[in-house]
Amino acid sequence: GAGVSQSPRYKVTKRGQDVTLRCDPISSHATLYWYQQALGQGPEFLTYFNYEAQPDKSGLPSDRFSAERPEGSISTLTIQRTEQRDSAMYRCASSLGRGEYNEQFFGPGTRLTVL
Amino acid sequence: AQSVTQPDIHITVSEGASLELRCNYSYGATPYLFWYVQSPGQGLQLLLKYFSGDTLVQGIKGFEAEFKRSQSSFNLRKPSVHWSDAAEYFCAVGVTGGFKTIFGAGTRLFVKA
Repeated sequence: GAGVSQSPRYKVTKRGQDVTLRCDPISSHATLYWYQQALGQGPEFLTYFNYEAQPDKSGLPSDRFSAERPEGSISTLTIQRTEQRDSAMYRCASSLGRGEYNEQFFGPGTRLTVL
Repeated sequence: AQSVTQPDIHITVSEGASLELRCNYSYGATPYLFWYVQSPGQGLQLLLKYFSGDTLVQGIKGFEAEFKRSQSSFNLRKPSVHWSDAAEYFCAVGVTGGFKTIFGAGTRLFVKA
């Protein structure tokens, strides 16, 4: 597509429910990143994919968080048993290749609110 | 550990005035540095980046930034601010080896007429 898209744009859920967020990267981009952005803070790295491989999950806050990119294009981020502290903006970005030389293009984000 | 500090949570400037947003980083090796802008409802957009070479880098929308190794700084500047520049600005450092980018907490810019 022309840019990175994310859905839904807004999600309100109750504590304890599972949520799945979706990211559709730019079609030619090999690398996809997930970030969590709390209110008043900058984005914090969660994980990234190089095609379908997920070399680093170190930023995921707990084992309730998981991400997939099974065919190397669309990715999903799932949060199980949501907690209020999970409320944040979740941002996806993609780049042509891996690395600092490759500009990351960000999606508009999904605002998650856990009641 | 790597970190990025943006000392100013928010800044207000008059339209047409000059702008400088401060950024300090902590990183052991040669840093890869970025400035992003985030407008309401939009994703982050890259303004400029520094990898090596000339320490004064030019970006889009008339922005520039200067890398000063001795001060561990990468301040963003613009000679004349337009009302459309009102947004949140993030400084970031890329970890060598490729995939992780560490962002500062951001500076929100307000532009008054």
